[in-house]
Amino acid sequence: GAVVSQHPSRVICKSGTSVKIECRSLDFQATTMFWYRQFPKKSLMLMATSNEGSKATYEQGVEKDKFLINHASLTLSTLTVTSAHPEDSSFYICSARQAHAYEQYFGPGTRLTVT
Amino acid sequence: AQSVAQPEDQVNVAEGNPLTVKCTYSVSGNPYLFWYVQYPNRGLQFLLKYITGDNLVKGSYGFEAEFNKSQTSFHLKKPSALVSDSALYFCAVRDGSSNTGKLIFGQGTTLQVKP
Repeated sequence: GAVVSQHPSRVICKSGTSVKIECRSLDFQATTMFWYRQFPKKSLMLMATSNEGSKATYEQGVEKDKFLINHASLTLSTLTVTSAHPEDSSFYICSARQAHAYEQYFGPGTRLTVT
Repeated sequence: AQSVAQPEDQVNVAEGNPLTVKCTYSVSGNPYLFWYVQYPNRGLQFLLKYITGDNLVKGSYGFEAEFNKSQTSFHLKKPSALVSDSALYFCAVRDGSSNTGKLIFGQGTTLQVKP
């Protein structure tokens, strides 16, 4: 099946700093990538949808200036959490979808802890 | 509004017994339905999907799901549960109002299979 990687798997950063998370589709071209946030034992909250080469579409309530998303190629999308605060601590998961495909394939997630 | 409901927070079954994880949906238009499984601190793994055709869909790891249009349900089933099936299961429906393939997830059901 299709493989999606995320890096890093875990990151600890200090409050006020920025952290970048990478999402890569390893064996397919992802025309669309999605970024989710998941709280413990809770469902996924879609943060934004990004199409290669265009600006991301953010869900209501998600600050686009705080969560910067770049989808510069068909295999790479990045999420940068700017000026992180402890309340940004969470499990961030990306997914990728090929053109004309119905299912999304998910990365393994990134655990962000802001101290 | 489109939505997915998983009415059970947790399902407990004994190893070797059949299991069912319930999912109901509400969509406008044709439903595109999915099941994903999540193991602790991991991303989601795609199990199966219903797009069209046969109402009984077979997926990975021996799982199957039955699409029932009249009951607007898409329950996940397995004839004989394994302890290793213990995980968090998500039902999802494609958001028909979006052209990006955005998914709407249920709240998740924890499956506990006891030896």
